[in-house]
Amino acid sequence: EVVLTQSPGTLSLSPGERATLSCRASQSVNTNYLAWYQQKPGQPPSLLIYATSNRATGIPDRFSGSGSGTNFTLTISGLEPEDSAVYHCQQYGNSPVVTFGPGTKVEIK
Amino acid sequence: QAHLQESGPGLVKPSETLSLTCAVSGASLSGYYWSWIRQTPGKGLEWIGFIHSNGMSTYNPSFKSRLTISVDTSTNQFSLRLSSVTAADTAVYYCARQERTLTTRYFDYWGQGILVTVSS
Repeated sequence: EVVLTQSPGTLSLSPGERATLSCRASQSVNTNYLAWYQQKPGQPPSLLIYATSNRATGIPDRFSGSGSGTNFTLTISGLEPEDSAVYHCQQYGNSPVVTFGPGTKVEIK
Repeated sequence: QAHLQESGPGLVKPSETLSLTCAVSGASLSGYYWSWIRQTPGKGLEWIGFIHSNGMSTYNPSFKSRLTISVDTSTNQFSLRLSSVTAADTAVYYCARQERTLTTRYFDYWGQGILVTVSS
């Protein structure tokens, strides 16, 4: 099973600052199969980034993804108040076919 | 633009079977993989399984012995049945569509989620 670990657990930053979120996998993940989701309270996760670095439709360019192997990063450049959310990484691979990270909560001061 | 909506009982007794349906509108089931995912405060997001519109399914081994996912293309719905539930199955259950291309996989549409509580 591929276990995804996300750090930090919580990130508290001011508007305009850069947020760097880490997702580490217990085994190598195909970069085509690594995605990031944003989840706001009371809402389902919403696709942010797919295939490590591709923004989903309508996602602003302040969101970017990178990484390979077992280390992946989501960067939010120039935080906006509406970016306050939990961010989950997710991989598709071996059994179980899909796993999610526990999430990083981003708080805007 | 696909719209997914979960429905089913919000309360299930221990040892009974949890049954949920996901109605899909704005898109056909055909050609896609359709998933069930749940979320708890303790375990976070947990993938349960998915089914293709042709009926082929893949389950998370953690659920395999008590899980059935089915699809009905005539009504554009797919369903989840999880038997012998315990309090540990209390969660928000989401249905979601998985986009698959030759090079990538991701969940692009999600339902709003339904809270299912297992309690007597």
